Amino acid sequence: DVRLVQSGAEVKKPGESLKISCETSGYTFSSYWIAWLRQLPGRGLECVGIIFPGDSDTKYSPSFQGQVTISADKSTRTAYLQWSSLKSSDTATYYCARTYSSSSKGVFEIWGQGTVVTVS
Amino acid sequence: DIQVTQSPSSLSASVGDRVTITCRASLGIGNNLAWYQQETGKPPRLLIYGASTLQSGVPSRFSGSGSGTDFTLTISGLQPEDVATYYCQKYTSVPYAFGPGTKVEI
Repeated sequence: DVRLVQSGAEVKKPGESLKISCETSGYTFSSYWIAWLRQLPGRGLECVGIIFPGDSDTKYSPSFQGQVTISADKSTRTAYLQWSSLKSSDTATYYCARTYSSSSKGVFEIWGQGTVVTVS
Repeated sequence: DIQVTQSPSSLSASVGDRVTITCRASLGIGNNLAWYQQETGKPPRLLIYGASTLQSGVPSRFSGSGSGTDFTLTISGLQPEDVATYYCQKYTSVPYAFGPGTKVEI
C-alpha cells in the first residue's frame, strides 16, 4: 500500500526557518517524482516544485524559485520542503504528492495528508 | 506561462443531475490535463488524467473530454458524496497550473 505521511502542523514567527517532511512507503522511492503543492487558506492549489529522488533532479515553479528548497533522502525515503526565512504569506497547507508514473511528472496520484504551516 | 481557467466557479444541482464543468487553457496543451476532486478538509484526489482516462477506483459516472484548449469534466448522475471542489490542472511543463476550482453543491 503506497503511503505518504507528512510531518505535523507548525507555528512559526516571520524570519524563522522551517523544514517539513513527507515520509513514503510501499513503492520504489527512487523511481517516481514527488511534488510539493501549496494551498492558501480558502484558495486553490499551486505547485511549488518537484523532485526525482533517483538523481535529485529538481524543478521549481517560477514564483517559488529561490524562496524554498526541495530535497529528498533516499536512505529514509523522505522528501523535504524547507524555508530559510519564513514570511506571513507562507501561511498555508502544504501537500506532498507522488506522480502517477516516472514519466508523467505532473500527474499527482498519491497525496499526503497535508501540513498546516502558520507564520505569525 | 499557460493559464488555466474554469467555469462555473460554483454550481448547485440535484441528486441524479448531469453536471458539466469546463476548463480552458490559454494555449494548446494537447491532452495533458488532469482533474482532481477535493472534499473539505481533505487532500485532493486524482479523478482523470490524459484529459479522458479514468483513474483506477473512480466511479464511472465521472468522465472527461477535450483536447487542445477546451476540456470538460462531466458527472453523470450527481451523488451526495460528489459534493466537493473540482480542479483541472495542465501538466505540459512546470509550472503545473491549476484552475481556480469549481465548487459543487447539492
